[in-house]
Amino acid sequence: GAVVSQHPSRVICKSGTSVKIECRSLDFQATTMFWYRQFPKQSLMLMATSNEGSKATYEQGVEKDKFLINHASLTLSTLTVTSAHPEDSSFYICSARGSAGGPHEQYFGPGTRLTVT
Amino acid sequence: QKEVEQNSGPLSVPEGAIASLNCTYSDRGSQSFFWYRQYSGKSPELIMSIYSNGDKEDGRFTAQLNKASQYVSLLIRDSQPSDSATYLCAVRRGGNSWGKLQFGAGTQVVVTP
Repeated sequence: GAVVSQHPSRVICKSGTSVKIECRSLDFQATTMFWYRQFPKQSLMLMATSNEGSKATYEQGVEKDKFLINHASLTLSTLTVTSAHPEDSSFYICSARGSAGGPHEQYFGPGTRLTVT
Repeated sequence: QKEVEQNSGPLSVPEGAIASLNCTYSDRGSQSFFWYRQYSGKSPELIMSIYSNGDKEDGRFTAQLNKASQYVSLLIRDSQPSDSATYLCAVRRGGNSWGKLQFGAGTQVVVTP
């Protein structure tokens, strides 16, 4: 149990285009979902938090118009990187929290490696 | 002061020995504590959660929590080469559905055969 999937696992796009990443909780209802970014050899950086049906709360310094987050249902959240630039190249990881394990446990998806050329 | 502090390592552990990882946190209101394992190039994997003082054992892993000292640790018994990874300590205030995890920078563990 407690499986979170992400799609795609790897994507290469051209500068200026948009990319959508999907995150799904497969066997539990995710009341809260989180999106992180991680650069090589660096710590996880939380980008935003969202509850199903509500607008996402973005961390300081994260552009909400560039990183669009939609938490449409209790099992699906999407992150759209708009007008991507090479500096957006990173490892994007979603995480979901619900009642899969303990009430406070948070599970991560396998991540999406984005390369912007 | 960082909210969650860990030694970055690397912590070199002979195969079969016990690896001991430490984590301290600054927010006394923290109520939920987690250990994640992250292999290079992969996402974090939850290995332990602990919510009350004392020890919690799961297989070869034991988490220890001391809220008075604001300290949480992870012991890995009979360490295997497959345990070589970065271990992330994460802490969260409870009672808030929006509460987010505060991560330490991680301790790299290297188990040598």
